[in-house]
Amino acid sequence: AQSVTQLDSQVPVFEEAPVELRCNYSSSVSVYLFWYVQYPNQGLQLLLKYLSGSTLVKGINGFEAEFNKSQTSFHLRKPSVHISDTAEYFCAVRSLTGGGNKLTFGTGTQLKVEL
Amino acid sequence: EPEVTQTPSHQVTQMGQEVILRCVPISNHLYFYWYRQILGQKVEFLVSFYNNEISEKSEIFDDQFSVERPDGSNFTLKIRSTKLEDSAMYFCASKVQGYNEQFFGPGTRLTVL
Repeated sequence: AQSVTQLDSQVPVFEEAPVELRCNYSSSVSVYLFWYVQYPNQGLQLLLKYLSGSTLVKGINGFEAEFNKSQTSFHLRKPSVHISDTAEYFCAVRSLTGGGNKLTFGTGTQLKVEL
Repeated sequence: EPEVTQTPSHQVTQMGQEVILRCVPISNHLYFYWYRQILGQKVEFLVSFYNNEISEKSEIFDDQFSVERPDGSNFTLKIRSTKLEDSAMYFCASKVQGYNEQFFGPGTRLTVL
């Protein structure tokens, strides 16, 4: 079984400042890792994913994340946020073996960008 | 760009009533999923569906829940006798074979009174 922990339920940040949203996971098997974003009244949209290869992955809207196997983390970063980045961000994992294709999500982090 | 659609966007029902939540996955996708998110809690997996049968379900997905693909386009989630604790946002997702990304719909907010 897998679990995902997003320690920060809310992260306020000023526009043009950098931001890091933390994600740690627990799994007895290898996993794929994902970040999804949910804008108000919309569905979940994939930001980026780590499947294999380079541990630094780049996604849409200037976001990137780094997979750290030893720390079982997949933190999301953006060097300079914009007001339009205000949304809920979900980290998720999927087992490579067994467990079907289901995603296991964290509790989400609400990013609020202020002027 | 093709997208997953869900209807209705908001459903209000009385406890004990049956509800059917509808989803239209992306047309060439073969894997279908339902997730739910109780207000303030994490998004939870309910069920996955492939080749006209359930491939995996969670412990939440008890006998009160069922899924169906009644035609070539719709994918439905039925709750036979709703409880107060079924109030949540229900997300449908679909995936193409051989690809890892699940595409999510905008969700249906179910309120059970």
